Formats: sequence, structure tokens, C-alpha cells
Amino acid sequence: GQQVQQSPASLVLQEGENAELQCNFSSTATQLQWFYQRPGGSLVSLLYNPSGTKHTGRLTSTTVTKERRSSLHISSSQITDSGTYFCAMANYGNEKITFGAGTKLTIKP
Amino acid sequence: GGIITQTPKFLIGQEGQKLTLKCQQNFNHDTMYWYRQDSGKGLRLIYYSITENDLQKGDLSEGYDASREKKSSFSLTVTSAQKNEMAVFLCASSIKLGEQYFGPGTRLTVL
Repeated sequence: GQQVQQSPASLVLQEGENAELQCNFSSTATQLQWFYQRPGGSLVSLLYNPSGTKHTGRLTSTTVTKERRSSLHISSSQITDSGTYFCAMANYGNEKITFGAGTKLTIKP
Repeated sequence: GGIITQTPKFLIGQEGQKLTLKCQQNFNHDTMYWYRQDSGKGLRLIYYSITENDLQKGDLSEGYDASREKKSSFSLTVTSAQKNEMAVFLCASSIKLGEQYFGPGTRLTVL
């Protein structure tokens, strides 16, 4: 079945630094979405980006379909960015979504 | 805009009990999903449904049943709750092959 690998598993940064999160998948993605989860909270959709580059606020996602990878870049990180970030994907014609294990991001003052 | 509601928010059951979780969406989305998330872990797909009365098994369907009686609602049944089981069950919906939106979750505790 399809597999999704996220790296790093955890990341600790100082406030103001940039964060780079990676997602690699075992098959070509036709759906690719990044989510954020605060401890004890539900999932919030950040970006839906099956190909190319998309921006929203301080977030940029770049998905290179042929290389089966996607990245999420967070610029000028803030303490409130702390939480877990998940990527999720499905491949062509298949609505079965597979999630990665997540990257736990901690931003320190 | 739309919303996904999940009921109940908290569910406490006894070992061996059959428990039902409900999910409603008003996005008019075709596809709905049920996931399980254990504490500190990622999401595992239990069941999904691409249209009314359709059911597709995910990776974790054993021990669960699901029902999609109408487009806006998707129910999940834990057929026999396991003692010390504790997890959050998350419902999501999407248009066909599109962006997913999640509900707030149902937190299950089995005594």
C-alpha cells in the first residue's frame, strides 16, 4: 500500500527561525494536503497542494510530483506555531488517504 | 462555508459494549472518512465512503462497522469496545478527490 514518510520526526527552533518540513511518498500523489494539530485539538487544513508551489501567510508548500515529495516551509516561526504537522496523500483515482506520522514542531522564545 | 459536527464529544463505555459515533457535514461533500488517532500518534483510516450507501475499508476496519445512510451523515460503530482503549476518532469529508475538512473529534474511553 501507499506509504508516507515525514521528516524530521521532531524539530526544535528559536522564535523567528524558519522551519522546513519534509514529506516523501511511495506513489505518485494526486492529492496532497498539509495539516496542523495543536495538542488535544483537531486537524486544521493548512494547504492543499498536489503539485507546484502554494503560499498562505508565512507558509509555503512545494510539491514535486515526479520526485514524490512535498515540503512545508514556515518563515519567521512563532511560539504559536508549535504543534504537530501532518501531510496526507492519495494517488490517482484512489480516495484512500494515507497520513504520515507527523513532525512535532516546538518553537522556543 | 460548512461545518462538520461529531457526536458525542466524549464517549465512555464498558468493555464489550457496542458504541456508535456520529458525524454530520453540511458541505454537500461526496466523500466521508473515519480515522482513529491514538495519543501522540498519527491518523489511521478505519472506513471511508465515496457516496451514499457506499463503504470502503481502510487499514484499521477490523472491530468496526460503518454506515452511510445519507450523503450528509456517516456513522461508526465500535462492535466490542476493548478495556483500556483510549483514542480520538476523527471524521472528515471532501469533494471527490479533493481537500479534506475535519470535525472536532470524539474522545473514547473504555473502562
